[in-house]
Amino acid sequence: SQQGEEDPQALSIQEGENATMNCSYKTSINNLQWYRQNSGRGLVHLILIRSNEREKHSGRLRVTLDTSKKSSSLLITASRAADTASYFCATDGAGGYQKVTFGIGTKLQVIP
Amino acid sequence: NAGVTQTPKFQVLKTGQSMTLQCAQDMNHEYMSWYRQDPGMGLRLIHYSVGAGITDQGEVPNGYNVSRSTTEDFPLRLLSAAPSQTSVYFCASSFGSGLGELFFGEGSRLTVL
Repeated sequence: SQQGEEDPQALSIQEGENATMNCSYKTSINNLQWYRQNSGRGLVHLILIRSNEREKHSGRLRVTLDTSKKSSSLLITASRAADTASYFCATDGAGGYQKVTFGIGTKLQVIP
Repeated sequence: NAGVTQTPKFQVLKTGQSMTLQCAQDMNHEYMSWYRQDPGMGLRLIHYSVGAGITDQGEVPNGYNVSRSTTEDFPLRLLSAAPSQTSVYFCASSFGSGLGELFFGEGSRLTVL
C-alpha cells in the first residue's frame, strides 16, 4: 500500500496566486521529499526535508513537516504557468527505509 | 552527463511475450529502483537495488525480475507479459542507500495486448 497521500488531487489557480499541496503518511520516516512531473516526462526532485526539520525553503518553494501529525505541505508562492505539473510526495519507512514510496500526486494547473 | 537512460521509450507486446527494459546511469549511484505509474495510482515500487549483486522486492514485484551485475545497469525483465503490466515504467537512481534525491529516467511506455 502507498505510504503517502496528497491532497487535493487536483488544484486550479490563477497565475500569481499561491498553491498549497498537502501530504499525509502512515509510518515513521527518515526523509520526506517532493517531486514534480511534467506531462509525459520523468519526475524531478524539488526538495528534501529530514524528519528532524520542521520547515525548509528553496526559491519559491516552502515545505513544512509535522511528524506528530504525519503530514507535510508544499507551498508554491507567486505561481507561474510553467508550474503546471503533477506534484508528488515521497517517503521512506514503509517496509524498510530503502523503499521510497510515492503518493498519487496533486495535479496543479496554473491559468495564465 | 546523460544521467539515467531508459530504453526503449515505447514498446508494444503481445500477451505471453518476454522483454527487458533497460536502465543505465552514469553517476556512479549505488541505489537503483524501478517504478510503474498507472493513472490514479501514483508510482509503485517494483524492485530496488542498493548495489551490484544486491536486489530486493518493492510493493508490486510479481511478474518482474531484476538483476544488478554492474553499478551502472539495472534491467527489468518481464518473463511472460500480461495486459495488467501495461503501464509507464520509470527507473531511478540515488547516491548512497536510497534515502536521498532520486534521479529519474524519462520513462518507458509499455502496452501489452
